[in-house]
Amino acid sequence: EAQVTQNPRYLITVTGKKLTVTCSQNMNHEYMSWYRQDPGLGLRQIYYSMNVEVTDKGDVPEGYKVSRKEKRNFPLILESPSPNQTSLYFCASRIQGRGAMNSPLHFGNGTRLTVT
Amino acid sequence: AQSVTQPDIHITVSEGASLELRCNYSYGATPYLFWYVQSPGQGLQLLLKYFSGDTLVQGIKGFEAEFKRSQSSFNLRKPSVHWSDAAEYFCAVGGQLTGGGNKLTFGTGTQLKVEL
Repeated sequence: EAQVTQNPRYLITVTGKKLTVTCSQNMNHEYMSWYRQDPGLGLRQIYYSMNVEVTDKGDVPEGYKVSRKEKRNFPLILESPSPNQTSLYFCASRIQGRGAMNSPLHFGNGTRLTVT
Repeated sequence: AQSVTQPDIHITVSEGASLELRCNYSYGATPYLFWYVQSPGQGLQLLLKYFSGDTLVQGIKGFEAEFKRSQSSFNLRKPSVHWSDAAEYFCAVGGQLTGGGNKLTFGTGTQLKVEL
């Protein structure tokens, strides 16, 4: 089954304790992206990657890191989490290149992060 | 810069009634427009998309949307709502002007409640 898998689904942590949220897709997609969803703000893009070893900032990258060492994986790293990073996070993927904009984003089921 | 406005935060309709969710966008060229639905605890699923051609597009689950360039709108409609349509709905805009990654910009969402 084609899917984007995020882990964990729920995570509670304390300020300053480094964490990683994993994302993996099995559709051989070049493009992957991380979003955070907050009430009243919709989805905002954190980082994206157009292919292996190619990453770039989205609209709200501060406090986050990503890496793209393999095509299927795109982990989100919070080196020193703070309470304002409490949010619902989504990973998404899609093809890149010709026809990309006509192709839908495939979303994971989300990771709900709470930082105390 | 591109943007999306969904003016209705919450909408309540009776089962069997018609539905229209509003979406207005700002974009410097012909946009790619999408509607996504998010059920509780799930990621976002594509309902329909517009990128060219017929301005009335059909999607899954009986939804349709009409692109009106003169009004910069892409409203989502359904003739008869079912209780299972209760969810949050997001409008999104993107296109060739968005630079690296062909970024999608999402609206803030409309929460639909269906009364039985």
